[in-house]
Amino acid sequence: DQQVKQNSPSLSVQEGRISILNCDYTNSMFDYFLWYKKYPAEGPTFLISISSIKDKNEDGRFTVFLNKSAKHLSLHIVPSQPGDSAVYFCAASANFNKFYFGSGTKLNVKP
Amino acid sequence: GAGVSQSPRYKVAKRGQDVALRCDPISGHVSLFWYQQALGQGPEFLTYFQNEAQLDKSGLPSDRFFAERPEGSVSTLKIQRTQQEDSAVYLCASSLRGHYEQYFGPGTRLTVT
Repeated sequence: DQQVKQNSPSLSVQEGRISILNCDYTNSMFDYFLWYKKYPAEGPTFLISISSIKDKNEDGRFTVFLNKSAKHLSLHIVPSQPGDSAVYFCAASANFNKFYFGSGTKLNVKP
Repeated sequence: GAGVSQSPRYKVAKRGQDVALRCDPISGHVSLFWYQQALGQGPEFLTYFQNEAQLDKSGLPSDRFFAERPEGSVSTLKIQRTQQEDSAVYLCASSLRGHYEQYFGPGTRLTVT
């Protein structure tokens, strides 16, 4: 039973445009959400996070939006750059002890 | 500074062999996690340590899987009598106490033939 879902396996975007990656979750006890970026043959790298008490968190070109009523979060990348091409995972936790990851979305930013 | 390191990076085992995978977390990180990542999937939680205490091992798929962190730093994930379905990338991550953000190692790719 997957508690965190990323329904789009891949996304292709033109350089300079916005990339929107989506994530849905089922467990209303989750209180913290994170996005990780992963390049081939490397471990995931933390990108940005959001607490359930907020609905938006911004860090440079990256913004995460949280809609608790819809149990949905999204990652916006503006403007997208070719170096952003990677697999993006969303993750959620109800405490510090256990994290649930989605299956990932492969982003391709075309020059 | 040094990140999380894992060894070996690649391991090929014959079915039935035992394997041991090592994780060196970032110095000072009290929390340590092990994940299993199958091809095309996201990391799946296996177990969690706080210092030397294994606080959650609910994700270990069978009693063939065993993890330890005896001195609260280096951790070893051991898989006994490996099966083909154990083939995956095994990721280790560490974090500071009370912090959600985890730092991942590069993973060990295990192939069971």
